[in-house]
Amino acid sequence: QQQVKQSPQSLIVQKGGISIINCAYENTAFDYFPWYQQFPGKGPALLIAIRPDVSEKKEGRFTISFNKSAKQFSLHIMDSQPGDSATYFCAASMRGFQKLVFGTGTRLLVSP
Amino acid sequence: GAGVSQSPRYKVAKRGQDVALRCDPISGHVSLFWYQQALGQGPEFLTYFQNEAQLDKSGLPSDRFFAERPEGSVSTLKIQRTQQEDSAVYLCASSPRRPGLGHYEQFFGPGTRLTVL
Repeated sequence: QQQVKQSPQSLIVQKGGISIINCAYENTAFDYFPWYQQFPGKGPALLIAIRPDVSEKKEGRFTISFNKSAKQFSLHIMDSQPGDSATYFCAASMRGFQKLVFGTGTRLLVSP
Repeated sequence: GAGVSQSPRYKVAKRGQDVALRCDPISGHVSLFWYQQALGQGPEFLTYFQNEAQLDKSGLPSDRFFAERPEGSVSTLKIQRTQQEDSAVYLCASSPRRPGLGHYEQFFGPGTRLTVL
């Protein structure tokens, strides 16, 4: 049972463009939604996270948009750079449990 | 400071062998997690420790999988009688607080890539 669905599976964006990755969840008990970035051979690293009491959070070029009623959230990478080329995972967890439920990942390639 | 370290980084085992994977969390981190990441997939939760207590092992796929953290720091994930379907990257993560006090960032190690032939 996949609790967090992520799309697209892969994405190619030109340098300077906007990368958009979408996730949808089913469990309304989730109350924490982080995005992780993973480079080959490395472990995932936290990029940005949001709680459902806000609709948007921005950190530098990275923005999370959150739609509680639709149970969807998305990551926007503005001014995408070749160094952003990595696999991105959305995730969710419930208060008191901490274990993360991950999406299936999006492989982003930013072309020079 | 030092991050989460895991050893070995790569392990090749013959089917039926036992393996032990080690995780050194960030010093002082209370919470420790193990995840399994199959090729091209997102990490999947295996088990969780708060200090030395294993509070959640709901993700362990079979009784061949066993994890321990006897002194509340280093943890070992042991897989007995390995099978080909056990081939994956095993990730360890640590976090500075225990659940119930909010959500805290999980810091991941680089993982151990296990290949079972």
